[in-house]
Amino acid sequence: DTEVTQTPKHLVMGMTNKKSLKCEQHMGHRAMYWYKQKAKKPPELMFVYSYEKLSINESVPSRFSPECPNSSLLNLHLHALQPEDSALYLCASSPSGQGQGTGELFFGEGSRLTVL
Amino acid sequence: AQKITQTQPGMFVQEKEAVTLDCTYDTSDPSYGLFWYKQPSSGEMIFLIYQGSYDQQNATEGRYSLNFQKARKSANLVISASQLGDSAMYFCAMRGPLFSGGYNKLIFGAGTRLAVHP
Repeated sequence: DTEVTQTPKHLVMGMTNKKSLKCEQHMGHRAMYWYKQKAKKPPELMFVYSYEKLSINESVPSRFSPECPNSSLLNLHLHALQPEDSALYLCASSPSGQGQGTGELFFGEGSRLTVL
Repeated sequence: AQKITQTQPGMFVQEKEAVTLDCTYDTSDPSYGLFWYKQPSSGEMIFLIYQGSYDQQNATEGRYSLNFQKARKSANLVISASQLGDSAMYFCAMRGPLFSGGYNKLIFGAGTRLAVHP
């Protein structure tokens, strides 16, 4: 079983809805990531948090709003999304700090989002 | 800029045979890491194997081995004794030097869908 837990597994929302995706890990990792994966495509990086601070934003539209309330939790707030935002959203974590291993990312099972 | 290329959209292999999935990369950083991940239909990305740019030996993890040819900038995944459960999407990925906070930007190739036939 994955040690990165994502909820919900499936989400259907309208373009005017506000919803949130949640991610939790208890491995003591201090770096957490959001990736977006369209069907039959590779994952694309959206955001990286390191020590609860936003470190990378890959020019993601403001209708996606990340939040890292503490070292174990990562949220992705969704508002006014478009149908083309329908995708699998993957959360990941990695050990942080210099010398902390290979940089391997540990992924959750993803939240499959459909925007109507 | 970093780039990862997987040129095989799909591969077929007979159960118990070996299969090689191709991956080439391009980077100007002397320090980098190469990963292979497996993604079953459930969606989870499962880490398989890692090769660091300074590693002298090819990485091995059970039935998985990485054929690292640095001069050719290739990092092919070899799966020995294929099993039906190996049917999945396989992604090659690369990171550059770790950022000062220890995190990284992992970029993925387009992926190869492997089908194992009985």
